[in-house]
Amino acid sequence: QSALTQPASVSGSPGQSITISCTGTSSDVGGYDYVSWYQHHPGKAPKLMIYDVSKRPSGVSNRFSGSKSGNTASLTISGLQAEDEGAYYCCSYAGISSLVTFGGGTKLTVL
Amino acid sequence: QVQLVESGGGVVQPGRSLRLSCAASGFTFSRYGMHWVRQAPGKGLEWVADIWYDGSNKYYAESVKGRFTISRDNSKNTVYLQMNSLRAEDMAIYYCARDLGPGNVFYFDYWGQGTLVTVSS
Repeated sequence: QSALTQPASVSGSPGQSITISCTGTSSDVGGYDYVSWYQHHPGKAPKLMIYDVSKRPSGVSNRFSGSKSGNTASLTISGLQAEDEGAYYCCSYAGISSLVTFGGGTKLTVL
Repeated sequence: QVQLVESGGGVVQPGRSLRLSCAASGFTFSRYGMHWVRQAPGKGLEWVADIWYDGSNKYYAESVKGRFTISRDNSKNTVYLQMNSLRAEDMAIYYCARDLGPGNVFYFDYWGQGTLVTVSS
């Protein structure tokens, strides 16, 4: 069982917006502003989409945004495109004992 | 451009050892921390190990502590993962990933394609 809880799947139509939640505890998501999000297409290398809760690496579309409230972080994708389909994982720093923990992943389907 | 290429995966019996390698190119390897992250079949991502840019600090997930060893050779732009006493639950695709910083940032900004480790008798 993953330390961070994500919905198993979400879906949306092209052009719509979707939000993926990532729920942890005060020992990880709620305790630090060190949340990141990764996009993973099957057979390909995962890609960093968001870090420091809401920062986008160079080259990542501004359709992707991140936020956090309490123990829950969220990834929002606006203007859904077919290429956004894939798995998304949240990740949080979890203190000196556990260091890093991932969510279980969310499969995004673009209808 | 940044490239990370893993190798060394394969089929191994429980209790045996395997060493993975990750060859890096396209950036100044000695300035960045490196990680190993794995994905078991049908499961999510799991962070495995971290090594700082100069090899001075190494950290491990509890699930592999005492069995796996991460190391690096900055002269060869390569990071390694020595895996001993392998268990069925270690079976996964193993990815190497670059740290966004010197090793203590824990954001993975570039990943390899992964190498598959199968643990089976």
